Amino acid sequence: GDSVTQMEGPVTLSEEAFLTINCTYTATGYPSLFWYVQYPGEGLQLLLKATKADDKGSNKGFEATYRKETTSFHLEKGSVQVSDSAVYFCALRGHTGGFKTIFGAGTRLFVKA
Amino acid sequence: EAQVTQNPRYLITVTGKKLTVTCSQNMNHEYMSWYRQDPGLGLRQIYYSMNVEVTDKGDVPEGYKVSRKEKRNFPLILESPSPNQTSLYFCASSLTGAIEQPQHFGDGTRLSIL
Repeated sequence: GDSVTQMEGPVTLSEEAFLTINCTYTATGYPSLFWYVQYPGEGLQLLLKATKADDKGSNKGFEATYRKETTSFHLEKGSVQVSDSAVYFCALRGHTGGFKTIFGAGTRLFVKA
Repeated sequence: EAQVTQNPRYLITVTGKKLTVTCSQNMNHEYMSWYRQDPGLGLRQIYYSMNVEVTDKGDVPEGYKVSRKEKRNFPLILESPSPNQTSLYFCASSLTGAIEQPQHFGDGTRLSIL
């Protein structure tokens, strides 16, 4: 079945450092890919998405490119801030299994001032 | 404000005592679903609904029931809760079941079953 694998955390960075969180997926067909962010005590919020190969999603300085050839959707940000500290989930939504969203296990990011 | 509202936010209860977690959305979304979040496992879908009166099982439906009598509401029912259902639960909705649609999440309900 469809699945998402993302790098384990926690990831600890200093403010203004470069961030990469790796995400790879397995799916039949052409799913849509998402990054969600979860701040403490809150639900998940959409950060960015891409719906077809080579699409780049971007929001709030974060970017991710849908790479069909490597089945990857890595999240990047050039300069992180303390306020970016949160848990980040890579996810896909495909045509199997009731159109559900399948999530990775999440990566916790800590940014130090 | 567009939102998904869950209640209660926190609940501690005992094994076997029936409980209901309510979920309501004000965005006229057709698709609604319930997830549970457990450490190291991400979110797993419990049940989903494509529209009113249309529900189906997700990946972990055992011990749960749902209903969708109105478009805006999608309650999660635990008829006889057990300790292995202690978890963080999220309700989510999307405009349709189309795969490019992102889901909108409630703030979560933390259930502890003793």
